[in-house]
Amino acid sequence: GENVEQHPSTLSVQEGDSAVIKCTYSDSASNYFPWYKQELGKGPQLIIDIRSNVGEKKDQRIAVTLNKTAKHFSLHITETQPEDSAVYFCAASKGGANNLFFGTGTRLTVIP
Amino acid sequence: DAGVIQSPRHEVTEMGQEVTLRCKPISGHNSLFWYRQTMMRGLELLIYFNNNVPIDDSGMPEDRFSAKMPNASFSTLKIQPSEPRDSAVYFCASSRQGDTEAFFGQGTRLTVV
Repeated sequence: GENVEQHPSTLSVQEGDSAVIKCTYSDSASNYFPWYKQELGKGPQLIIDIRSNVGEKKDQRIAVTLNKTAKHFSLHITETQPEDSAVYFCAASKGGANNLFFGTGTRLTVIP
Repeated sequence: DAGVIQSPRHEVTEMGQEVTLRCKPISGHNSLFWYRQTMMRGLELLIYFNNNVPIDDSGMPEDRFSAKMPNASFSTLKIQPSEPRDSAVYFCASSRQGDTEAFFGQGTRLTVV
């Protein structure tokens, strides 16, 4: 089955700096890579995703990049704000939500 | 829409007791998932249903765990008997079949003492 590794497990940045979280996957058949954000006391929520036919996708201050050859993908958050503090999960899938394999999460702390 | 609704939000029980976690998926969603979240293993899929039918329960850790979905708007995850190592946050999620996004509930934090 698929194995998704995520690092770092914790990340602290100063407000306004950038944050980068990296994930690798093992199954070359995976073609969908979402990122979920989990705020304290809440369930994970999808924030951005990328499919294998695209190398990069951007949505305001967040962007994802995908390197299919190396089987890794990354989340980039620019101009971080305190409200970005949360746990972020990457995931890989061969298709739908029924096939999501999650990384172990990164706790991001943005220091005001 | 109120989103995925889970109850209870917190459950503390003694080892050996039966625990039942409940979930109401988003109306119109016909796929439902139960996940367990721990510090060591992150988010693990326990079981998922399509149209109320269990499709893959390979993530269910032991026979002590069972899940049902008697209708499209309700599912339960039961642990009997519970053990301290079952302590975790259990999430229910739902999606439209074939969609890629899973919508998560707020979770049930289970503590077995």
